[in-house]
Amino acid sequence: DQQVKQNSPSLSVQEGRISILNCDYTNSMFDYFLWYKKYPAEGPTFLISISSIKDKNEDGRFTVFLNKSAKHLSLHIVPSQPGDSAVYFCAAGGGADGLTFGKGTHLIIQP
Amino acid sequence: KAGVTQTPRYLIKTRGQQVTLSCSPISGHRSVSWYQQTPGQGLQFLFEYFSETQRNKGNFPGRFSGRQFSNSRSEMNVSTLELGDSALYLCASSHGGIGPREQYFGPGTRLTVT
Repeated sequence: DQQVKQNSPSLSVQEGRISILNCDYTNSMFDYFLWYKKYPAEGPTFLISISSIKDKNEDGRFTVFLNKSAKHLSLHIVPSQPGDSAVYFCAAGGGADGLTFGKGTHLIIQP
Repeated sequence: KAGVTQTPRYLIKTRGQQVTLSCSPISGHRSVSWYQQTPGQGLQFLFEYFSETQRNKGNFPGRFSGRQFSNSRSEMNVSTLELGDSALYLCASSHGGIGPREQYFGPGTRLTVT
């Protein structure tokens, strides 16, 4: 049973517009969430995290929103750039457990 | 600061053999986690080591094992390899404290079992 779900396998966005990547989770014990970006043949690169006590965290062009009641989080990238084209993974963790990852969303930024 | 390094980068083995993969964490990081990435299952947590002790374990058979040395370097071993073990094996390091633990990943070891 998938505890972290990314329901969109791919997303295409025009350069300069906003990219919104979504993630849903089922385990209410998760107390922090992270987003990773992955290029082919490389390991995932940490982007941004958010603790469950917050509802928003911002870092430059990246903002993560957390809606605990809906068990939903999203990553906003504004403005989208060609170098943002990659696979984005949502991950969740809690206590001393390892991270639980979604299956990823392939973001394609079109010129 | 040097990133997480993994060796070897690529490996080809035959069924029934065993394999050992190595991971050197970022300097100062005490936690090392291992993940398996396959196209169908995505990234799945194998286990985490902290201060030479296995702190947590995912849902993988006992053929998958690991250890951590006093310098925080870690090794992962897979015995009696099966075709389904073909995957990208990723190692990630972090400080290991409680709370949001940002993990930093290495480039992975691509294992192919024939």
